[in-house]
Formats: sequence, C-alpha cells, structure tokens
Amino acid sequence: DSGVTQTPKHLITATGQRVTLRCSPRSGDLSVYWYQQSLDQGLQFLIQYYNGEERAKGNILERFSAQQFPDLHSELNLSSLELGDSALYFCASSAGQGNGYTFGSGTRLTVV
Amino acid sequence: DAKTTQPPSMDCAEGRAANLPCNHSTISGNEYVYWYRQIHSQGPQYIIHGLKNNETNEMASLIITEDRKSSTLILPHATLRDTAVYYCIVRVIGGSYIPTFGRGTSLIVHP
Repeated sequence: DSGVTQTPKHLITATGQRVTLRCSPRSGDLSVYWYQQSLDQGLQFLIQYYNGEERAKGNILERFSAQQFPDLHSELNLSSLELGDSALYFCASSAGQGNGYTFGSGTRLTVV
Repeated sequence: DAKTTQPPSMDCAEGRAANLPCNHSTISGNEYVYWYRQIHSQGPQYIIHGLKNNETNEMASLIITEDRKSSTLILPHATLRDTAVYYCIVRVIGGSYIPTFGRGTSLIVHP
C-alpha cells in the first residue's frame, strides 16, 4: 500500500457519460498530480494541484476538470466520454512541489 | 529539466544482474537522477535516486558516471517480479517540478 488511495479501481461507462475519479493523497502530502495512461502509451501528465490550488496543466482536455478539496483529496471529472478516453488514470502525491513522489494504484476506465 | 534516453527494451535471465542504462547528457549541476518502475498496469514505484555518488538501497544500486552524463540502474539478482518498465528521470529537488515520464525501458526477466 503506497498510501495514495484511488477509487474506484475499475469503471465501465458508456460514451457521452460523465464520471468522477477520486484520489486521497498520502498523509501530509499537499500536492496531487493526475496522469493518464492509454494502452501501450506512456504516462501523460494532466494536471497538478497544490494545497487546493491548481499549479500546472498538461495535456488535459477541456472535457476534463479536476479540483482539490480542503481535506486535500482530489477528484478528476471526465465528461462527454469518448471511446478514446479509455485508459488507466493515476494519481500521485508529494509533500511539496518538488519532493518525493508516490503513485496510487490507478483507476481503469473503460468507455463502451 | 534535462531529457533522458533509454533503450526501449532489454532482457535478463533470472538470478543474473540487470543493468539498465540511461543517458542524460544535458543534466545540470543541481539535477538528481531518479529511477522509477512500473509493473504491468500498476502505479509507478520509486526505486532510487542520486546526485553524483553511487547509491544503493534494498532494491537496487545506482551508478552515476563521473561527468554525470549517464547512469546505470543495477538490479543485482533479477527475479521474474522485476519484469517492468523502468523510467529514468532527471529533476531538481525543490521548486516547481512536473515529473515527465518518457517511454522507459521494458525489462523482461526470463527463467
């Protein structure tokens, strides 16, 4: 157990739907990072939050959004889902903006 | 952050040492070398990091060349469970940093 908790582990939904992925960072970590990993692809950085504020954006689609709550957990919202959004979504956390980095076990999203 | 170059794939016999190279010729003086690995469909896992001295922990050893332009991750006695994609990253500790993972090296450990 890495200390970073992601729920759900698996999610199957239809095209056009909206889903929310949740991430609880390791205790004491202020930064949360979201990554997408499609089949046989590398990890693509989506977005980072630090202590409730958005700090960096990567290749995140406009249909996707995220937020970090006062208790530091984060949610990634994916809307108007397309088949191509099927992927593993990983959350990682760190104590500061440049410190050690711990990943969760991911959420596998399948859009049918 | 400096970019890294890794071979796309390698294989190793179980029980033998696995030596995974990484080239980071544009590394700057305050950048560390980090290694992570990702076992199939799991989240990446931290292995080891170093600045200029060789480092060893319970998982692996990290050898950094004197000019710091390249490094080698050594798994001294590879097991089947070490089959994974290994990522080499260079980064500054502290300050704003977004870990960027390339394609890494896919290591296959065979019986």
